[in-house]
Amino acid sequence: KQEVTQIPAALSVPEGENLVLNCSFTDSAIYNLQWFRQDPGKGLTSLLLIQSSQREQTSGRLNASLDKSSGRSTLYIAASQPGDSATYLCAVEYGNKLVFGAGTILRVKS
Amino acid sequence: NAGVTQTPKFRILKIGQSMTLQCTQDMNHNYMYWYRQDPGMGLKLIYYSVGAGITDKGEVPNGYNVSRSTTEDFPLRLELAAPSQTSVYFCASSGGPGRMNTEAFFGQGTRLTVV
Repeated sequence: KQEVTQIPAALSVPEGENLVLNCSFTDSAIYNLQWFRQDPGKGLTSLLLIQSSQREQTSGRLNASLDKSSGRSTLYIAASQPGDSATYLCAVEYGNKLVFGAGTILRVKS
Repeated sequence: NAGVTQTPKFRILKIGQSMTLQCTQDMNHNYMYWYRQDPGMGLKLIYYSVGAGITDKGEVPNGYNVSRSTTEDFPLRLELAAPSQTSVYFCASSGGPGRMNTEAFFGQGTRLTVV
């Protein structure tokens, strides 16, 4: 069964700290991996997409890495800000479907 | 550019009623998906479509039906609503696996309560 797990389930950090969110997947035959942000009561906003042939992608303070062989991805957030507080979801594309992890709830304290 | 549009945003249904959740995308994406999200949980795939006229079941299809008569539209039908269908429903679209710009885009969600 294709499963995606995100650790930790919740994280609270002081403003300015660098942090890492983890995503692991059981089936390494992926097409791509995508990180999303979800604000309370809102839809999902795409942050970064990593194709299966890529090792990492960067956008501003965000950097996502992918290691297919070990079934892991990390989302690195530099110099966190209170506005980064949200739920972060990892989704793995297998053929015809996106499989989601349960998310990491991030709170950045000012 | 509207992206993925879902209607309605909120709905309250009585047990046994039926309704259709509408989803439209204007990006000419072949792949479209319906997910449900329950509190504290990730998104569970209900149905998906790889193109007009082609649909398939996801992880949690019971109690739902879909159709895909055009590339743009992918409505989700709830028949005989049950309290277990209380959830937030998201529609998404993408170009499909292995393609450039295969990023998935999501609608803003429909919050459904069955009482």
